[in-house]
Formats: sequence, C-alpha cells, structure tokens
Amino acid sequence: QKEVEQDPGPLSVPEGAIVSLNCTYSNSAFQYFMWYRQYSRKGPELLMYTYSSGNKEDGRFTAQVDKSSKYISLFIRDSQPSDSATYLCAMSNNAGNMLTFGGGTRLMVKP
Amino acid sequence: DGGITQSPKYLFRKEGQNVTLSCEQNLNHDAMYWYRQDPGQGLRLIYYSQIVNDFQKGDIAEGYSVSREKKESFPLTVTSAQKNPTAFYLCASSMGSGETQYFGPGTRLLVL
Repeated sequence: QKEVEQDPGPLSVPEGAIVSLNCTYSNSAFQYFMWYRQYSRKGPELLMYTYSSGNKEDGRFTAQVDKSSKYISLFIRDSQPSDSATYLCAMSNNAGNMLTFGGGTRLMVKP
Repeated sequence: DGGITQSPKYLFRKEGQNVTLSCEQNLNHDAMYWYRQDPGQGLRLIYYSQIVNDFQKGDIAEGYSVSREKKESFPLTVTSAQKNPTAFYLCASSMGSGETQYFGPGTRLLVL
C-alpha cells in the first residue's frame, strides 16, 4: 500500500462545476499538507498549503484536512477550462523529512 | 525575479553516454531535490541535498549522480548505467527539508 493514495482519474467535469479532489494517507505523523497543479509538460506549481486540520480558502480553491480520517481534499468552485491539469497532493511530518507525493489526479474541465 | 531554472528543456542521449541536467535557483534555499516523472505517474525522488557539499540518495538513485558545490546549483548526471532514462526530470528547492518545495520547468530526456 502506498503511503499517499490519489485516484489518477481522469476526472471530467463541465465548466462551472464544483470539483472535489482527494488524497488519503496512512502516516498519522503528517502535519503539513500541500496541493500542486501541474500543466502538461510543465513543473508543478504550489496551489495551497495547510498545517494540521481545518479548512483554508483562496479564491475559488478550498483545501480541507481531516486528520482523524487521514483524508485531505481540494475543492474548486466554478471550474474553468484553464483548471484542466494534474493535481498532486503532498505532505510531510514536522521532523524535517521529505515530502511524500500522491500520484496525481488528472482533471479535465470541458467548455 | 526569483525562481528555479532548468536547462536544457529537451535533451537527447545516445546509448552509453552520460548527460548532465542543470538546475539553478536564486531563492536562497538550502535544500534542493531531483525527481523523475514518468507518463501518468507521480514524482519519484532521485537525490536531495539539504546543504552545500552534502547530498543523499532518494528512492531511485541508481544510475544517477549529483553534486552540490554551490548553494544555487544542483546538477544531475544521468549515467550510462541508467538503462531506462527516458522521463521528465524535475528539480525543486525549499527553505529546508520537509518544507514547501518550488519546482523548475523540467527537462525532458529522450534516448536516441
């Protein structure tokens, strides 16, 4: 079993839909959670960064962490074709160890 | 304008040849990383460096080598021992290990 699991998709939605992307993890020591967006043939770019449990909102994006369930989510409201990309979750504990990445979910938003 | 640069964007390798991928950052970050990404796959860690003149193997270090002589630079050499080098290579940096990583644009390596 991988330490961080992410459905590879592809996830196809119509423009304007609310998108929910998720990761589950097994290491209860993870404290820092990140979401990256990667366009085709480009490097990943940081979208959201959260610490411990709770929600964080930034424009159309909301990151949610449920440590009791070892489950994190990224919600995209009013999705746009420009949101079409692969979304990678990443996480680490607070002991200076490496980030652990999920395999990524490919999202396609159709006009 | 701060960031991470990688060069070249595309690189072709002949069989038996060593090639070196460049990664430079001007973010004053201590830690730097090299990842390999295969089509439809996540990121796999090749090597990382937490400080100048020090580096550690990641999950798939065989067939690769690195150096960290300067804080800003972390070149990756793909040696002839790497039998399946075709992939997208990503360099990243962070203030410290375990912290948010910022990625370069990547180098696509193809074998002739």
